[in-house]
Formats: sequence, C-alpha cells, structure tokens
Amino acid sequence: EPEVTQTPSHQVTQMGQEVILRCVPISNHLYFYWYRQILGQKVEFLVSFYNNEISEKSEIFDDQFSVERPDGSNFTLKIRSTKLEDSAMYFCASRGEGEKLFFGSGTQLSVL
Amino acid sequence: QKEVEQDPGPLSVPEGAIVSLNCTYSNSAFQYFMWYRQYSRKGPELLMYTYSSGNKEDGRFTAQVDKSSKYISLFIRDSQPSDSATYLCAMIGYGQNFVFGPGTRLSVLP
Repeated sequence: EPEVTQTPSHQVTQMGQEVILRCVPISNHLYFYWYRQILGQKVEFLVSFYNNEISEKSEIFDDQFSVERPDGSNFTLKIRSTKLEDSAMYFCASRGEGEKLFFGSGTQLSVL
Repeated sequence: QKEVEQDPGPLSVPEGAIVSLNCTYSNSAFQYFMWYRQYSRKGPELLMYTYSSGNKEDGRFTAQVDKSSKYISLFIRDSQPSDSATYLCAMIGYGQNFVFGPGTRLSVLP
C-alpha cells in the first residue's frame, strides 16, 4: 500500500543550526502538507503546498521556515535557524484529488 | 467557540466495551469528516472517512455524522487493548484547509 515516507526519523541539532526534514509523498498525490506536534499536544498545521507553491500557511510558519519540492518526488521543510521551541514531531502529509489525507510516520526534532 | 471541539479524555474502558468518541464543530461549510488513530510517537493513521450524514461501518468501527447538529462520532465495538491510542477527528470543506480536533486519549484495559 502506498505510504508517505519521512526521513530522518530522529534529528538532533544545536540551537541556531539549519535542519532539513525530508518527505516523499504518495506518488500520484497533488497536495502536500507539513504539520507539527509538540509532545502531548494537538497536531498543528504549518503549511500546505500545491502546484509548486504555498497555498496556505499558519502563524507558526514564519520566515525561519521554508518548503520546497526540489524534484518530482521529494518535499522538504527547512528550518533556517532552529530554536528550542522548534522541538517537536514534524509530520508530512499528502492527498490526491479526494479529501483523504495521509500522514507519514514523522521526524522527531530535538533542538539542544 | 473553537472550530472543532473534542472530549480530551483520557478515557479508560475495559476490554470488550463499546467506546464512543465525539466531536462537535461550528463551521457548517465542513463537508468531509475523518477519524484518525495515533499511537504514541507515530503519525496519525486514517481510520474512517465520510462525507454524508448517517453511519458508515468498517469492521468494529462505525463513524456517524449528523450535519444538522454539527456532531460526529466514532464507535468502537468489542474494544481491544490494541485500540489504546489517541483518536483525532478532522474535517474539511470545499476550498478550505483541514481542521483537526485536539484528540481523545483512549486506554482499553485487559
């Protein structure tokens, strides 16, 4: 069964460093998303991406964040200068023409 | 009023019990409704997807939507310890973004 793949599963970084979180959405999907979840809290929307551009972003998605679809299969989230409060689980999700949203298994980001 | 509200739990039930999980929403534009199951430190897994009022059944799971009352439910029959997880409701309308409930943590005790 097709699935959304995320790498790495865990990422540890120093405050102020740049990190890139990688995702391979389901192959025929058109809409891509990043969400994050701080431990014990709700799933929070970061950004949605369609037709090679951001379609919507939340207040969390400030200038430190960027997304890119560098080729036909990958979808990346970059955090330019990480802060302690960026520590969270980051989920990539994708959907096709319908409204079913499928999540990856997540990247646990720890900022020290 | 929050756009989507969900009983936070935690909810503890004995194995074999019927579980009822509920969400209410305020935006009448929502047309599609989903339930996700999330195990600890894992990604949400799509369990049920519905777009009309009424019931949809899949094995031990039944999703119920009442658009007139802006209320959705997920019923789990014959609950198992493996059902212990956080359950998230989600919904979306045309041209809108997904909105998630905060989740209900369920523990099924053997």
